[in-house]
Formats: sequence, C-alpha cells, structure tokens
Amino acid sequence: NAGVTQTPKFRVLKTGQSMTLLCAQDMNHEYMYWYRQDPGMGLRLIHYSVGEGTTAKGEVPDGYNVSRLKKQNFLLGLESAAPSQTSVYFCASSQGPHTGELFFGEGSRLTVL
Amino acid sequence: GQNIDQPTEMTATEGAIVQINCTYQTSGFNGLFWYQQHAGEAPTFLSYNVLDGLEEKGRFSSFLSRSKGYSYLLLKELQMKDSASYLCAVRDSSSGGSYIPTFGRGTSLIVHP
Repeated sequence: NAGVTQTPKFRVLKTGQSMTLLCAQDMNHEYMYWYRQDPGMGLRLIHYSVGEGTTAKGEVPDGYNVSRLKKQNFLLGLESAAPSQTSVYFCASSQGPHTGELFFGEGSRLTVL
Repeated sequence: GQNIDQPTEMTATEGAIVQINCTYQTSGFNGLFWYQQHAGEAPTFLSYNVLDGLEEKGRFSSFLSRSKGYSYLLLKELQMKDSASYLCAVRDSSSGGSYIPTFGRGTSLIVHP
C-alpha cells in the first residue's frame, strides 16, 4: 500500500525560482492538505482541499498556490521561492470532515538559497 | 480559530509513566488527535477522542475533557523508542464547516535509560 506519496523528497532552489510539489494518495480520500513544519512551530496549514476541483487557504497561504484537478492528486506550487519558504512540507489526506484521521506523506525537504 | 498549548519538552526514564498535556480553546469542537513523530519522519496516528473519557490502546492512553478544553496522552512502560515528538491536533468548525485539524507545536519527549 502506497498511502500518501510526495515527490520530490528533497530539493534545493535559488531565490526566485519556481517549483511544484506533488502529492498523490491511493485511498480515495476526499480531503487533502499541505502543511509546513519549521523548528518550534509545529505543523502549520498552507492550503487544503475538500474535494476534486476545490481548494481553500489555510493559516499560512502567502507565496503558495495549489490545484486539485484529480481526486488523488494535490499539487503545491511556489511561484517565486524565498528563503523564508525553507521548510519541510507534509502532505496529508483524510476520508472526510467528521471521520478518520490524517494520513501523512513522508515529507519534502525544501531549501531556498 | 484554536489556541492549542502543550509543553515544549519533557524527559522521562525508561520503564516509567509519562503524561503529556494539551489544552485548547476552540468553537465547534469535533475531535482531538494525538500523533507521534520521530525525527526526520512523518507523523503517525496514535489516538482520536471526540467524547469525554479515556481511550486505551496498549501502552498508550488518551483522555479528553471537553468542558475543560483539556486532553492528555499517557505513555506507560516507556521504551527508548518512545523518544519522539507528540503532536496534539484539534478539529473544529472554525474553517467554515470543513472541520480541518489544527496542530499544536508538539512536545519533544526524551526517554533516558
């Protein structure tokens, strides 16, 4: 069982470059999430999606965009990377609003120089 | 939104019992999660409480008091492998009915021989 898969696992960018993180889940979950984790800050929600074709802003959405064109995929884009976006990014999915825990991907470590 | 508090760090001895507290302030409470996260890895689900009381699962138990906005995670017979960060997350209706979990900053537990 693959569960939640994130690509790439590691990436180094220069300031101003763009990139996309891909999250794929094979559990037919409706909800998908992107969090970032920084030392001492816990997991902070960037964007989330409650179903195919829908997205919404979380706690720290600035500088990021997302798309959910297919139910199983949730993409996180950085249009112009900044050093403040150096972080570990976690994708997660869950069945729905009232049921089920979040299943996390292995994380993507992004460094912006 | 939520205000979730948990201690930053705790230490305990192998074989002992440790209690990690989590307090929260929220509206439209819809459940509380505990996750375990080892360094460099993804969070993994430990427990979920939506009603008051104690949920026991092997060496781990989780307690919830909705009226007090309080939960704790109890770890018995501590093992060295229990050294990890423990994340408290609350799901409520602050996200416009989407019930998105918000995470606390996590408690780093160090188990020593």
